[in-house]
Amino acid sequence: DQQVKQNSPSLSVQEGRISILNCDYTNSMFDYFLWYKKYPAEGPTFLISISSIKDKNEDGRFTVFLNKSAKHLSLHIVPSQPGDSAVYFCAASGSGGYQKVTFGTGTKLQVIP
Amino acid sequence: ETGVTQSPTHLIKTRGQQVTLRCSSQSGHNTVSWYQQALGQGPQFIFQYYREEENGRGNFPPRFSGLQFPNYSSELNVNALELDDSALYLCASSWGLAGGRETQYFGPGTRLLVL
Repeated sequence: DQQVKQNSPSLSVQEGRISILNCDYTNSMFDYFLWYKKYPAEGPTFLISISSIKDKNEDGRFTVFLNKSAKHLSLHIVPSQPGDSAVYFCAASGSGGYQKVTFGTGTKLQVIP
Repeated sequence: ETGVTQSPTHLIKTRGQQVTLRCSSQSGHNTVSWYQQALGQGPQFIFQYYREEENGRGNFPPRFSGLQFPNYSSELNVNALELDDSALYLCASSWGLAGGRETQYFGPGTRLLVL
């Protein structure tokens, strides 16, 4: 049962344009969401997070949007740079018995110069 | 400040054998979590240790066990290896317990192949 879903395995974007990575979740107990970036041969690196009390969080070129009613979040990267090429994982955690972090399957982003 | 390190980087074992993977946490971190990442999948939570005590476990059988030492380094032990245990094993360290809200710092992983 995949509770965090990233339905796009890959995405290609031109340098300077916007990259939008999507994530859906099914468990209504999730109330905290994170994005991690992973380069080959390295471990995932924390990028940005959002609590369910917010619908947007911004950090430089990265913005995460949360739509609780649709159980959907998205990561926007503007402008996209070649160094952003990596696998992006969406992750979620909740309260009580759902405190462990549940990851999605990842989206491979390629930013074309 | 050193980051999270893992050893070995690669390992090949045969079915039925036992394996021990090691993780050295980032300086000052007292919490470590272990994840299994199968090919084409996201990391799956195995368990977490806080101050040498197991603090949560995912849907993994008891043949997956762990230890955290006083210096906060950690081991993942897997007994009776199965072919499906072939994966990248990631450890992540963090400070304290924040119910999944703490920023985790991942090591580069150990790639295990079971033949």
